[in-house]
Amino acid sequence: EPEVTQTPSHQVTQMGQEVILRCVPISNHLYFYWYRQILGQKVEFLVSFYNNEISEKSEIFDDQFSVERPDGSNFTLKIRSTKLEDSAMYFCASSVGGFNQPQHFGDGTRLSIL
Amino acid sequence: AQRVTQPEKLLSVFKGAPVELKCNYSYSGSPELFWYVQYSRQRLQLLLRHISRESIKGFTADLNKGETSFHLKKPFAQEEDSAMYYCALNPFTGGGADGLTFGKGTHLIIQP
Repeated sequence: EPEVTQTPSHQVTQMGQEVILRCVPISNHLYFYWYRQILGQKVEFLVSFYNNEISEKSEIFDDQFSVERPDGSNFTLKIRSTKLEDSAMYFCASSVGGFNQPQHFGDGTRLSIL
Repeated sequence: AQRVTQPEKLLSVFKGAPVELKCNYSYSGSPELFWYVQYSRQRLQLLLRHISRESIKGFTADLNKGETSFHLKKPFAQEEDSAMYYCALNPFTGGGADGLTFGKGTHLIIQP
């Protein structure tokens, strides 16, 4: 069964540095998402992406964050000038369509900011 | 804004006993509700969605719009059901790619 894949599984970065988290959505899916889960807290929506542009974004997704689909397979989340509070699990998800279609999640990337 | 509440952080039941994981939501529109499960060291997986009205691994969930609830039930728990369970809501705002709103999750432990 096809899966969403995320790399790396764990990323350790110094505060203030930029980090790029990578995702390969399921190949026939058209909608892509990023979520984060700070330790001990709920999974929170960051952003959705469709047709090469941002479709929805939450209050968390400020100017520090950006997303890109640089080629036909990858979907990336860039965090500029990382802060300690950016430490979290970041999940990528994809779905075939928007309405009535479930989102399929990757294993996540654990981001640790030192 | 929408909200999903899972009041139990931890639920422990014996094998063979009935299980009910509670989920309540607040949203003014007509959302779609999901249950996701995360087994130890595995990814979030879709368990079921209210719109399909199916039973997966013996679990069912009925959307009660009057009580704004979507409780997950199983009549006879099995040890392999031990996992984190998340209730999630899709608000369907019309944009087509709405983010899910998750509850905090319930850690279900099935004791032998």
